[in-house]
Amino acid sequence: EVQLVESGGGLVQPGGSLRLSCEASGFTFSRYWMHWVRQAPGKGLVWVSRINSDGSGTSYADSVKGRFTISRDNAKNTLYLQMNSLRAEDTAVYYCARDPGGGGGDVWGKGATVTVSS
Amino acid sequence: DIVVIQSPDSLAVSLGERATINCRSSQSVLYTSNNKNYLAWYQQKPGQPPKLLIYWASTRESGVPDRFSGSGSGTYFTLTISSLQAEDVAVYYCQQYYSTPITFGQGTRLEIK
Repeated sequence: EVQLVESGGGLVQPGGSLRLSCEASGFTFSRYWMHWVRQAPGKGLVWVSRINSDGSGTSYADSVKGRFTISRDNAKNTLYLQMNSLRAEDTAVYYCARDPGGGGGDVWGKGATVTVSS
Repeated sequence: DIVVIQSPDSLAVSLGERATINCRSSQSVLYTSNNKNYLAWYQQKPGQPPKLLIYWASTRESGVPDRFSGSGSGTYFTLTISSLQAEDVAVYYCQQYYSTPITFGQGTRLEIK
């Protein structure tokens, strides 16, 4: 079964750091570009970041540029999002998504909840 | 950045009737070299991740019922549900993936009348 499972969410104080992981199974992870998308409570979907299949190319939303870093370990079939200097407005459910080849997302994880609060 | 705006924000339709959601982008998302519109539609139910319905503006994802269809080109797109079923109650999003930052519409909440 094709599956993405996020982990690493939790409660963190403003200015703190957190690393999310997204473990892939059921498909050849190294062939796909991957995305992180977030959704604040009661709000819409917001794209956060994207990485190409070998990890050599990345893109970020302006709101997280310089604070978040996307990376991947194809040997471990795992996508990461390192989040530093966290702010209250980063509070959201963070989803990882597989890019089928173009930019959309055809497989999504169930999400990891990040709460930034003192 | 390409701004994507959906209309309406919410919609109530009777069971068995047609539902239509519109999506407009601030710039064309048609890539002329391959004649593809870089536009997708998603369905999201409460407590669930988004589900891909349509990509390349009009290609239905595998397993998606054929009552869902997408149309449009350039800057104006439409998602149509031909005969609304109870399980279609959800929030629907369009997304452009023509350029980064990838952007979503604000969402359209679809309810039963």
